[in-house]
Amino acid sequence: IAGITQAPTSQILAAGRRMTLRCTQDMRHNAMYWYRQDLGLGLRLIHYSNTAGTTGKGEVPDGYSVSRANTDDFPLTLASAVPSQTSVYFCASRPGQGFNEQFFGPGTRLTVL
Amino acid sequence: AQKVTQAQTEISVVEKEDVTLDCVYETRDTTYYLFWYKQPPSGELVFLIRRNSFDEQNEISGRYSWNFQKSTSSFNFTITASQVVDSAVYFCALSDAIYNTDKLIFGTGTRLQVFP
Repeated sequence: IAGITQAPTSQILAAGRRMTLRCTQDMRHNAMYWYRQDLGLGLRLIHYSNTAGTTGKGEVPDGYSVSRANTDDFPLTLASAVPSQTSVYFCASRPGQGFNEQFFGPGTRLTVL
Repeated sequence: AQKVTQAQTEISVVEKEDVTLDCVYETRDTTYYLFWYKQPPSGELVFLIRRNSFDEQNEISGRYSWNFQKSTSSFNFTITASQVVDSAVYFCALSDAIYNTDKLIFGTGTRLQVFP
């Protein structure tokens, strides 16, 4: 059982380029989340999805978009990357209704130059 | 608004010392959950514990213990007889249940360094 996988592991990207971070889970969890982690700021929610076909904005959604075409995949897209999007990005999932813990992927380290 | 404060940015201890990581939260919800996660140097986030707002019993798991006090809005984490392997960044988090999304609101983390 892989749990949550994220790709790529790391990426260096030129400003203005488009980039999609991939997240796949094999636990059939309903809810999925994208966070970014920045030094001194902890983890902040970018977007979330309670179930396939629905998405919502988190605390810092600007410059990012997501889609949830099926249960397993929750890609995060940066349409035109900027240096302030340099961060470590974590995808997470949660089984469903109720207050269950979130399980996190290994993260993607993104550098925008 | 929901908020989690971890005032200790970094703590250094020598192996076998006990150490307490503080977590103070703010919420207007009457039902909420609190969590602790560990992030070792390898970078992954490891779930440690979940506590709901109706259960104020302290919990102990091996060398780890948690003290939840609603009166002071605190959910502190104690490591007894610390070990080098405990070196990590520890995050306290609060679930946001307003819109039933169970979004996690994280504190800024406490970096614990345990020296041999």
